[in-house]
Amino acid sequence: QVQLVESGGGAVQPGGSLRLSCVASGFTFSSYGMHWVRQAPGKGLEWVAFIRYDGSNEYYADSVKGRFTISRDNSKNTLHLQMNSLRAEDTAVYYCGKARVVVITAWGQGILVTVSS
Amino acid sequence: DIQMTQSPFTLSASVGDRVTITCRASQNINSWLAWYQQKPGKAPQLLIYKASSLESGVPSRFSGSGSGTEFTLTINSLQPDDFATYYCQQYNSYPYIFGQGTKLEI
Repeated sequence: QVQLVESGGGAVQPGGSLRLSCVASGFTFSSYGMHWVRQAPGKGLEWVAFIRYDGSNEYYADSVKGRFTISRDNSKNTLHLQMNSLRAEDTAVYYCGKARVVVITAWGQGILVTVSS
Repeated sequence: DIQMTQSPFTLSASVGDRVTITCRASQNINSWLAWYQQKPGKAPQLLIYKASSLESGVPSRFSGSGSGTEFTLTINSLQPDDFATYYCQQYNSYPYIFGQGTKLEI
């Protein structure tokens, strides 16, 4: 059974940094691409980033390009999202997602990131 | 970037109704479209991929159609569990934009 568990969220001041992690189980992590998707309070879904199964390519939303970095450690079944230069508009629940090809077929429970002074 | 426009924003319906949600892409995305259902406080769940392919375990009352720039999600015989928010997402090219969502309410 696929399980994705996010951690590392919390409150941070504008301009600060945070690193999210997503530990995967129940499938061969190293064979699947992975996404990060976020949802601001009361708003819709926003795709954030994608990384290929082997980490060879990364893709980002324009809103986070140059500030966020997606990475993975296949030896630890873990996906990361390094978030720098955080802004108030980055406040959201962040979900990691397992991709079949690129379609998100499984989601974590989400982790809240709050950017506020 | 490809923009995705869903309509309507809110849809009122009753148990047993048939409803249709529309998603329009700003350019041709072939059939590279997915539909997700999200309930309050929960993560989304995949319903449809490649515009019309039903994800395993999803009830057959859900169906998707369309290609190019115009797509629809149809739910036949609405059940109480179907009242949720629905999102389309294009995956033809990065960034993989979501539609703004359609809230289906009683």
